[in-house]
Amino acid sequence: DVQMTQSPSSLSASVGDTVTITCRASQTIYKFLNWYQQKPGKAPKLLIYAVNSLQSGVPSRFSGSGSGSDFTLTISSLQAEDFATYYCQQSYSTPYTFGQGTKLEI
Amino acid sequence: QVQLVQSGAEVKKPGASVRVSCKASGYIFTSHDINWFRQAPGQGPEWMGWMTPNNGNSDSGQQFRGRLTLTSDTSIGTAYMELSDLRSEDTAIYYCARISHDLNWFDPWGQGTLVTVSS
Repeated sequence: DVQMTQSPSSLSASVGDTVTITCRASQTIYKFLNWYQQKPGKAPKLLIYAVNSLQSGVPSRFSGSGSGSDFTLTISSLQAEDFATYYCQQSYSTPYTFGQGTKLEI
Repeated sequence: QVQLVQSGAEVKKPGASVRVSCKASGYIFTSHDINWFRQAPGQGPEWMGWMTPNNGNSDSGQQFRGRLTLTSDTSIGTAYMELSDLRSEDTAIYYCARISHDLNWFDPWGQGTLVTVSS
């Protein structure tokens, strides 16, 4: 199975800040890397797919980068609605696995 | 708009089975596979398996083999997840999600179904 290691597990920031979350795969996963946002009591929401493609309707302050096995999610100019938990996910091979999550707190 | 709507919460006793439905709308149901995930309290999502509505093919994660059945009824655009021999550790929110045609991203997701296993 491909292991996904995400850091940090929690992050405190303020409105207007820029934050970065990293995700490392245990093997090369090429472009099969997605990022999701999850708020309490809600389903995961796709933000970024295929490393750096912004899902329709997602604000442009979200961006993704990386290659091979190392990936990054950057949120610029944080807004109040961005405080949530973020997960990376590899979709290169089954079982599709997630990082442990990053809880972004005010 | 593309949408997946799941059935309501369930409470089951250990050893019982549960079936969760996932009704698709806004797209051609047979054009995309449906995947199932679950999320235990305080944990991240866990992939369970996939099924192809077009032909009924399916597969599941190793830890679910023998207990998980994924099916669909194409006439009503609905996918089903049945998990048998329930244990307390199966208590979780279960989600269905549509997979893309390439590079395998998941969107949209159903709203989730809470399954509680308790004696």
